[in-house]
Amino acid sequence: GESVGLHLPTLSVQEGDNSIINCAYSNSASDYFIWYKQESGKGPQFIIDIRSNMDKRQGQRVTVLLNKTVKHLSLQIAATQPGDSAVYFCAEMLPGGSYIPTFGRGTSLIVHP
Amino acid sequence: DTAVSQTPKYLVTQMGNDKSIKCEQNLGHDTMYWYKQDSKKFLKIMFSYNNKELIINETVPNRFSPKSPDKAHLNLHINSLELGDSAVYFCASSPDQGGETQYFGPGTRLLVL
Repeated sequence: GESVGLHLPTLSVQEGDNSIINCAYSNSASDYFIWYKQESGKGPQFIIDIRSNMDKRQGQRVTVLLNKTVKHLSLQIAATQPGDSAVYFCAEMLPGGSYIPTFGRGTSLIVHP
Repeated sequence: DTAVSQTPKYLVTQMGNDKSIKCEQNLGHDTMYWYKQDSKKFLKIMFSYNNKELIINETVPNRFSPKSPDKAHLNLHINSLELGDSAVYFCASSPDQGGETQYFGPGTRLLVL
């Protein structure tokens, strides 16, 4: 399953499928990006980050891809599990002085068993 | 041994009242933040403190006043509460102010009646 930008806030997938959550960031000068997962009733939790000198970074079952040309970030979750159900946020940060994170709208991922 | 803790978890109060939300982190981080998350899950930074000094103050009404007695604590005091203040408020911390990931507390759900 795949979400398209910030205009599709909900993504429903079947357990075991791969999920792709997309994010269009706003500032071409941003040089640090983070994906957060927020489960119901909890605070956002760090998943994976990437700096602008990279275009891909892999973690455990998650991969972040960065396309600076079109200011696009995606989070790929392999073999999605019911425990992955949450709202996912991307955050971008500008360099220089104090980093002020700007969060995207968020995408709700629903994983059906 | 919670990393970032907030109290209270829930806060229901009348319009016009003054209330405080407390935040503590035991991670030894230098920087702490307050965020507001509205009903549409939009997450926006309000304040940032580094070693007890204010470094970020986004466009927030002056009814909101952060106070940092030491670098492990950042409390949020709100005067003359309004209906529009109803939201979830998250405290977060990071090792420093330079592009590090942030660790979020569980949130305080504020409802103004």
